[in-house]
Parts: sequence; C-alpha cells; structure tokens
Amino acid sequence: GNSVTQMEGPVTLSEEAFLTINCTYTATGYPSLFWYVQYPGEGLQLLLKATKADDKGSNKGFEATYRKETTSFHLEKGSVQVSDSAVYFCALPANTGNQFYFGTGTSLTVIP
Amino acid sequence: GAVVSQHPSWVICKSGTSVKIECRSLDFQATTMFWYRQFPKQSLMLMATSNEGSKATYEQGVEKDKFLINHASLTLSTLTVTSAHPEDSSFYICSARVVRAGGDHSNQPQHFGDGTRLSIL
Repeated sequence: GNSVTQMEGPVTLSEEAFLTINCTYTATGYPSLFWYVQYPGEGLQLLLKATKADDKGSNKGFEATYRKETTSFHLEKGSVQVSDSAVYFCALPANTGNQFYFGTGTSLTVIP
Repeated sequence: GAVVSQHPSWVICKSGTSVKIECRSLDFQATTMFWYRQFPKQSLMLMATSNEGSKATYEQGVEKDKFLINHASLTLSTLTVTSAHPEDSSFYICSARVVRAGGDHSNQPQHFGDGTRLSIL
C-alpha cells in the first residue's frame, strides 16, 4: 500500500538558514502529495500540495516538487524564520477510502 | 476554505470520568471523519474512521468500547473516551476530507481540527 518515509528530526537551524526536510513515498499510481505543519499545541494545517509529477507546491516561502523518478517530495525553504518552528508532516492518501498516511513528523526549531 | 472545528480544546478531569469530544465540519459535509491520537513528540496514530450513519472502523489495538464514536450527521462526529484513566491522557485530533459526489477527490487534502488536549488526573 501507499506509505511515506520522512527524515528524522529534530532539526535546529539558525534564522535565515536553508531548510530541507526529506520525504520519500511508495505508492500505487500517482497520488497527490501533501505537507502539513503543526505549531505547538495546535492541530495540523495544510502547508502545500502537489497533484501530479513535476508539480511544485509552494506556500509561505516553502516549496516541494513531486519527483516521480526519485519518488520524493522534499520540503525546502531558502531562509527560515523563528516563526517556522513547528513539526512538519509529509502525507499522501490511501489507494481507497479517504484515509491519509503520514510520515513520522520532523520537528524544526529555528533560533535567532 | 474547508474548516473543521473541534471542541473542547482542553479537558482536565478525574479518573473514571467519560469525556466527549466533538468534531464538526463547518462548511462542507463529511461522510467520513478520522480520529487520531498523538503522543508528545510523535506522529499521528489513526484510531478509527468515523462513518456517517454506520459503525466506525477501528484500527488494530484500539478498544472500541473504550473509545466510542458516533457520526450521527454529515457534519458532526463525536469521540467519547469512557471511564478515562491517566494513560488515556493525550492529544486527540479529528480530520475530514471534502469529497464531492461523482467528483475526483484524489487531490483533496485532509482538513484538521485544532485538537483536544485531554489530561486525566
């Protein structure tokens, strides 16, 4: 079945550093891929998505490109801010039904 | 955009109490909702799939008599933690997905509530 493998954390970066959080997937067909962000004490918010191969999702300076050849959907940001400190989850839908599969989450802390 | 509202956001109660958590889809109908549990610094663990008008589907290892799920309408699912004990303390999150009849929903995201922090004393 479908699944995602996400880079383990935690990740600590200085403000304005470059961020990459790796995510690879296993899937039947080409499902849409998603990144979610969870700020402390809150639920998950959709950060960005890509619906087909070579699509690039982007939001709030974050980007991720749907790479079919490497089965990857890595999250990147060129210059992180303290406010980006959160946990990031890679996700994709199941083949059937409405269930999603989530990665283990990567905790990011940005220090001034 | 689609909004999911979860209530309450924080509950503290005594051991043995039953606690009900509500999950509402505010601007769309959800035939299916999901309940997750999240331990500190860990990922989401799917507990059950809530199906409107029928029984919930529980994941392996989740006690259905302990975690009662009711999905009585297209906009409301409830999770009741019965006779809660300290080990039930956790962060519970619900989600729903916009699915339109006859439409392609494969690129529709899950929409999450803000979560309920349950603390059992």
